[in-house]
Amino acid sequence: DVQLLESGGGLVQPGGSLRLSCAASGFTFGSFALSWVRQAPGKGLEWVATISGGGGTTYYADSVRGQFSISRDNSKNTLYLQMNSLRAEDTALYYCAKERFTGRNPEIDSWGQGTLVTVSS
Amino acid sequence: QSVLTQPPSMSGAPGQRVTISCTGSSSNIGAGYDVHWYQQLPGTAPKLLIYGNNNRPSGVPDRFSGSKSGASASLAIIGLQAEDEADYYCQSYDSTLTAHMVFGGGTKLTVL
Repeated sequence: DVQLLESGGGLVQPGGSLRLSCAASGFTFGSFALSWVRQAPGKGLEWVATISGGGGTTYYADSVRGQFSISRDNSKNTLYLQMNSLRAEDTALYYCAKERFTGRNPEIDSWGQGTLVTVSS
Repeated sequence: QSVLTQPPSMSGAPGQRVTISCTGSSSNIGAGYDVHWYQQLPGTAPKLLIYGNNNRPSGVPDRFSGSKSGASASLAIIGLQAEDEADYYCQSYDSTLTAHMVFGGGTKLTVL
């Protein structure tokens, strides 16, 4: 079974930084693109960033481009999200997500349980 | 404001049929991009419910079905059950955005 286990969330002051990690198992890690999707309290899902299986291609939401950086270590089966200059509006539950392509555009076939990031003074 | 529009809330009695819509445009659903649906039960992570417009992953009951027509898609639930009370999200791709994927705003389904 696919398992995605996020860690690294917590309380951080505005302007601070945080690095999230996602430890994966149960699939051939380097063969799949991975994403971060966040959900602010009481709100809907927002795609944040995606990285290709080999790590050479990344995509970012306009809301985080230049502020967040997605990366992966295929030797450790781990996905990362480096978050800098954090703002109150970045407060959310951050999900690690595995993508797959069965058609023209990808779907997310596995989700982690999420790690909570709270930006507050 | 998402490019995929869903009704914020819907409700239905046990046993009824409900249909949740996901309305897009000519740059996303209308351009032929696939629509996927997710179910998020209270306090849990989302789960893939329908992929590729009308395909159910293994383990998803056949009470759930998806369809697409033009620039819109729909998720239908027949024989509504109490455990179907959840938030439902559609997801696709939009060619005018730099986003890798886009989600609808979500629909909160209440079972009366």
